[in-house]
Amino acid sequence: TQLLEQSPQFLSIQEGENLTVYCNSSSVFSSLQWYRQEPGEGPVLLVTVVTGGEVKKLKRLTFQFGDARKDSSLHITAAQTGDTGLYLCAGERKLEYGNKLVFGAGTILRVKS
Amino acid sequence: EPEVTQTPSHQVTQMGQEVILRCVPISNHLYFYWYRQILGQKVEFLVSFYNNEISEKSEIFDDQFSVERPDGSNFTLKIRSTKLEDSAMYFCASSGLGQINQPQHFGDGTRLSIL
Repeated sequence: TQLLEQSPQFLSIQEGENLTVYCNSSSVFSSLQWYRQEPGEGPVLLVTVVTGGEVKKLKRLTFQFGDARKDSSLHITAAQTGDTGLYLCAGERKLEYGNKLVFGAGTILRVKS
Repeated sequence: EPEVTQTPSHQVTQMGQEVILRCVPISNHLYFYWYRQILGQKVEFLVSFYNNEISEKSEIFDDQFSVERPDGSNFTLKIRSTKLEDSAMYFCASSGLGQINQPQHFGDGTRLSIL
């Protein structure tokens, strides 16, 4: 069974601070996807990282895929209250047709003003 | 932007009853999925569906569950005889043509409450 360990589970910080969320596994994934989920809604894709060592930036969010494609991190610079939400990492495993996502438990981020 | 839509948003059902959850995937997508999220737990894969067949299912997806694409637009999940432990958020997702790193797009889910 492939597992993704996501940490921290909860994070409460002041506006303007930086933070990092980690996603770790003992298994290799084809890619790793980061989602954000608001209450009452489904996960919304933020980014997909594919290549070992890849770094992608989305405004103040920086996503990194580990060299061995087993771990990933999400770094937010100068957090804003609008960043508050649930962040999910999901590892992709290829199927014969399509793919399957293995989700981490999520990180609840609260940014205080 | 095209999106995955799910109905109903909330379903309340008596234990032992059948329930059908409905999804309309993004129109040009070919791969369809169901996931569930029990309150306070991880999102879990249930089943993937392609070309009118199940391509993979998890151990959760037992004989009480079935999926169907009855027409060109809908994708349904049926639970034949619901149990209390089936209470969860059920998410439908779809992804496009091509095997390489096609992201899955999720609907907003159906909250299923079994009484």
